[in-house]
Amino acid sequence: GAGVSQTPSNKVTEKGKYVELRCDPISGHTALYWYRQSLGQGPEFLIYFQGTGAADDSGLPNDRFFAVRPEGSVSTLKIQRTERGDSAVYLCASSLSGSLSNEQFFGPGTRLTVL
Amino acid sequence: LAKTTQPISMDSYEGQEVNITCSHNNIATNDYITWYQQFPSQGPRFIIQGYKTKVTNEVASLFIPADRKSSTLSLPRVSLSDTAVYYCLVGVHGSGNTGKLIFGQGTTLQVKP
Repeated sequence: GAGVSQTPSNKVTEKGKYVELRCDPISGHTALYWYRQSLGQGPEFLIYFQGTGAADDSGLPNDRFFAVRPEGSVSTLKIQRTERGDSAVYLCASSLSGSLSNEQFFGPGTRLTVL
Repeated sequence: LAKTTQPISMDSYEGQEVNITCSHNNIATNDYITWYQQFPSQGPRFIIQGYKTKVTNEVASLFIPADRKSSTLSLPRVSLSDTAVYYCLVGVHGSGNTGKLIFGQGTTLQVKP
């Protein structure tokens, strides 16, 4: 079956612009996570959805970052007024439920470059 | 989640067994130990998870001593395709936990021919 997909694979934007990153999780997975990975570092947690609701958004760096999952499936990470420091690979993962006993399946990521 | 410490990098040769040790001195009673693998330009991939003693699957083995303050991921007979970053994570199972993963820097394994 299909894994987690993310679009676009690459996004180049200018400082100050707005971007949207999309994640299609594995069908039937109720838990969805967003992570951000800078070069040479491990992924950093951003936000967790259980169904349609954001159950834990403690990793969002500031109010320029926002994510939605309106129908409990596809999720969109939105970044307003992008800054050069936002450049990173944004990873999405899904699992059957929100528990560490459930393996998380990661997508290939979206590489965001802010010029 | 418990802080983990693992070597930044390791080198090996094809056909050798590779052991990567992770320290987690502050591991709590309910914490499980999980390892993920990440290839360049890909998202991390689950390898193995355990609580105590030894766990083995088709990919690797995980050895956990009685005090659980460390764990060792063992990769038998590595090949060039095992070149990747390996992350050790420690966290809590059970209901009420969000399942969010806290990654460290990981261990970059380079397998040479």
